[in-house]
Amino acid sequence: GQQLNQSPQSMFIQEGEDVSMNCTSSSIFNTWLWYKQDPGEGPVLLIALYKAGELTSNGRLTAQFGITRKDSFLNISASIPSDVGIYFCAGRGRRNGSSNTGKLIFGQGTTLQVKP
Amino acid sequence: DGGITQSPKYLFRKEGQNVTLSCEQNLNHDAMYWYRQDPGQGLRLIYYSQIVNDFQKGDIAEGYSVSREKKESFPLTVTSAQKNPTAFYLCASSIRRESSYEQYFGPGTRLTVT
Repeated sequence: GQQLNQSPQSMFIQEGEDVSMNCTSSSIFNTWLWYKQDPGEGPVLLIALYKAGELTSNGRLTAQFGITRKDSFLNISASIPSDVGIYFCAGRGRRNGSSNTGKLIFGQGTTLQVKP
Repeated sequence: DGGITQSPKYLFRKEGQNVTLSCEQNLNHDAMYWYRQDPGQGLRLIYYSQIVNDFQKGDIAEGYSVSREKKESFPLTVTSAQKNPTAFYLCASSIRRESSYEQYFGPGTRLTVT
């Protein structure tokens, strides 16, 4: 089945540094979503991408839908302590026949720790 | 406020007992989903429902059951057949529309079975 590889698995950075993480797939995805999960809480949607090459920002966060449609990137600029958490990518592959299930496939997550 | 509620936040059960986790949404979303999250891992799909009175198995449905009698509600029962039920359970919902696949999550229920 389709799988997403998310890297790095974890990051420990200094406050103020920029952060980059990515997700790759062996197959084509039509949608990429990026979520952030605080400890013990549900994931919160950060950015949604629907077109190859699309670059979208949400405050200090910027995400891109890769041209090959097999990858996506998330950048966080000037990190602050509240950026701490787990960041998940999620993707939706090509429709299977006439089925439109809305199912997403999730990456394993990137754990971000920020040192003040 | 519109959103997804899951209750309770923490749930403790003895092995061999069935337990039902609640998920309610007032977003008027058509589709609802249940995921399981284990420490250090991503989200795995248990069951999902696109419309009332219909639901499909996800990747790890064994030992779980669901119902979708109302649009707003999608309860999950963890049965005694589930071999390793201790986990963090997340409910999500989305609009069932061709152009949008954004799922919105509830706060989760942490289930501990001893």
